[in-house]
Amino acid sequence: NAGVTQTPKFQVLKTGQSMTLQCAQDMNHEYMSWYRQDPGMGLRLIHYSVGAGITDQGEVPNGYNVSRSTTEDFPLRLLSAAPSQTSVYFCASRIPSSDTQYFGPGTRLTVL
Amino acid sequence: SQKIEQNSEALNIQEGKTATLTCNYTNYSPAYLQWYRQDPGRGPVFLLLIRENEKEKRKERLKVTFDTTLKQSLFHITASQPADSATYLCALGSGGYQKVTFGTGTKLQVIP
Repeated sequence: NAGVTQTPKFQVLKTGQSMTLQCAQDMNHEYMSWYRQDPGMGLRLIHYSVGAGITDQGEVPNGYNVSRSTTEDFPLRLLSAAPSQTSVYFCASRIPSSDTQYFGPGTRLTVL
Repeated sequence: SQKIEQNSEALNIQEGKTATLTCNYTNYSPAYLQWYRQDPGRGPVFLLLIRENEKEKRKERLKVTFDTTLKQSLFHITASQPADSATYLCALGSGGYQKVTFGTGTKLQVIP
């Protein structure tokens, strides 16, 4: 199993540009989520999904959209990038009966 | 508001000694507490979970204690090795999906 994969690993955007961060998992996990990690702050939940077709907002959802058309994929879309969205983004997944999350390697995003 | 405190300063210890990391929390009644390891440029990796009705949990050289009265968890690594050098995150969950709050982490450096 590849586990949780994320692409790209690094990305630089200009303010106002849009892009999609990709996340996929091959463990058949129903639950998937997106976090951002900033210096001096803990991981903060952006959006999450409990299954295909079901998504909900986390702690810091503004400026981000998600969709979940398949169990495997959970892309995160930035509609109009802002410098405040410069961060490292992590995707995670787990099965409903377990509290253990499996994290991807992260995407480092810089917005100029 | 909920707050999780981990020592923001790095912890340096000599190889072979026991490393002890602290996680304190306020305004929270967690159902469980987790510890993750994070290496530079990588996603967090789950280590241990301890539930509110458990006092102590062990896994190989790792030991976690959970004191809901003091609102504190201690994470111990015995016979520490340079390979244990990493940032360690604690996370508290209150049950239900993704009601997990992460601390900022403590960087551990094991000196040969």
